[in-house]
Amino acid sequence: DAGVIQSPRHEVTEMGQEVTLRCKPISGHNSLFWYRQTMMRGLELLIYFNNNVPIDDSGMPEDRFSAKMPNASFSTLKIQPSEPRDSAVYFCASRGDGDGYTFGSGTRLTVV
Amino acid sequence: GENVEQHPSTLSVQEGDSAVIKCTYSDSASNYFPWYKQELGKGPQLIIDIRSNVGEKKDQRIAVTLNKTAKHFSLHITETQPEDSAVYFCAASKGTSSQKLIFGTGTRLQVFP
Repeated sequence: DAGVIQSPRHEVTEMGQEVTLRCKPISGHNSLFWYRQTMMRGLELLIYFNNNVPIDDSGMPEDRFSAKMPNASFSTLKIQPSEPRDSAVYFCASRGDGDGYTFGSGTRLTVV
Repeated sequence: GENVEQHPSTLSVQEGDSAVIKCTYSDSASNYFPWYKQELGKGPQLIIDIRSNVGEKKDQRIAVTLNKTAKHFSLHITETQPEDSAVYFCAASKGTSSQKLIFGTGTRLQVFP
């Protein structure tokens, strides 16, 4: 099992550009979570899906952020337009029945 | 909703000593409590977990205890080693895969040789 796969590992973009982060969950896991990690705010849950359906997006900071899960093996987190304050490490995690999350290696986003 | 508090925020110990990290939770319906270790540049990794029907669980040098009445749980690391240095997060949830985990704010553990 390759685990949760995120791409890209690093992204540097200019303010105002669109950024798309990608995640492939572990096969068979029916829940997928997007987190943002910063020194100031720690691990913040942005949105999570259960069986490809968004369940709770109350953590999405603004309308500039959107997430989709078109099928059980793929999800995207999009920021449009990006701002310097969006700079953070974004983690995707998936979860099977009754167990803890498995996290991906994260995407380090820098918006200049 | 659930709220998880974690203490201390930083912890420094000498190699070979024990380290204890404590968490409290607010929702009495929570029944699943995992602990994660995050090394620099990596995602958090599950190291041990406990369910509410168990009071203690051990795995080699690490153990977790749970007090449901007081709504707190703790991570114990014995015979610490420099490679134990990392950030540790506790979390709580209601235990099914559709429920989100609520994380504590993390503890940075440093083990000095």
